[in-house]
Parts: sequence; C-alpha cells; structure tokens
Amino acid sequence: GAGVSQSPSNKVTEKGKDVELRCDPISGHTALYWYRQSLGQGLEFLIYFQGNSAPDKSGLPSDRFSAERTGGSVSTLTIQRTQQEDSAVYLCASSLSIANTEAFFGQGTRLTVV
Amino acid sequence: DQQVKQNSPSLSVQEGRISILNCDYTNSMFDYFLWYKKYPAEGPTFLISISSIKDKNEDGRFTVFLNKSAKHLSLHIVPSQPGDSAVYFCAASAGTSGSRLTFGEGTQLTVNP
Repeated sequence: GAGVSQSPSNKVTEKGKDVELRCDPISGHTALYWYRQSLGQGLEFLIYFQGNSAPDKSGLPSDRFSAERTGGSVSTLTIQRTQQEDSAVYLCASSLSIANTEAFFGQGTRLTVV
Repeated sequence: DQQVKQNSPSLSVQEGRISILNCDYTNSMFDYFLWYKKYPAEGPTFLISISSIKDKNEDGRFTVFLNKSAKHLSLHIVPSQPGDSAVYFCAASAGTSGSRLTFGEGTQLTVNP
C-alpha cells in the first residue's frame, strides 16, 4: 500500500518481556516519527529520525526504549523488560524531508502489557 | 514543558453550527502549524495546515486562523457535521529547520444531530 504500515496491529505481552514494533514509512519519506498515546492522553513524542542526521531521542521515557532505522526506511521500536505503564498505542508517522510538510500516520500498534 | 496546549479537552456543538477549536503555543521558533483529526482505533489524519507567513488558511468547511502575536491558533468548522466528531490535535514545528512535530493534548469534538 501507499500509506504508513505498522505491525503488529495488536500485541499482548507479559510484564518483563521484550517487544519489537515495526514501521514501514511511505516510500521516499526521509523523516520518521514515533509517538505513543496512552489511554485518555495526548500524543507523546518518543523519537524522530531525519535523513542521515542523528535521531532526536529526547522523548524516549527510559533506557528500556530504543529505536533504529535501517537503510533510511523501515524502523523498529524496541521496548525491553516491558512494564504495565508501557501499555499504549504506539504510532509511527513519516514525512518528506522538505520543510513545512505534513506527517502521515500509520494505524498504530496497540500494546498491552499484562 | 508543554509547548503546545489545547486547554479544552472536549467541545460539544449542534449539527450545522460552528465548531471552534483552540490551541496555544509557547515556542516562538514554531513557524508551521497543523491540525489532525483522529477517530478511535485509527491513526491521526492530516486536516489542514498554516505557515507563519499567513494568518488564515481555508479548505472547504475548515479554516485555520493564526495569531502570531498571541501565539494562538484556532480551527473553525462550518457547518459542523456529526461525522466531524473526533479528537482534534493541534501540532507545530520549526519547519524551516526540519524539526519534529510537537502535538497538543487533543480536544474531543462531539457534533450532535
């Protein structure tokens, strides 16, 4: 498809396990974002990749969270030793590298830590 | 530090009337502003944007107004329709430096038939 694709769409994991969430951005988009939305909350910024620049990791809530973007395309968000407070919808978005363009979001991955 | 704020968590209007959603920001470096709409169980979808060189942008029933001196923007929906019921997020970036989007907390709009 032509949109941002995220997988899995739903993930239930046990507390303490590691999880990997995947994002396939729109082809040609060099900027990629990860956000999360906890129940009843707004969009919380996690990490931002822009081309070959060093990623902006300022939103990662703890060192259990990491993300990488291979080949400037697919991105993986990894959460180690998951906690119940990590339960949220994790949203990925991508945009063109040029300034003043909108970001397009995927459907999100709903993570539930039990 | 919440750089983009939407102070109204919810808004309810009658079908056919105007919906006005508000957003305030603190970072004077922001020069590009966007509104997104989000339905439950879906990702946010882009609605309308405005550059800081403008004070108004219109697209059909949707108009965004920007008041740079007050660091305030608003989204007007006229006429409101029940299908507009969703959470609306305001977002901002220092676009010319290619920085990330910063979102507000969102406003739940309910349009009653």
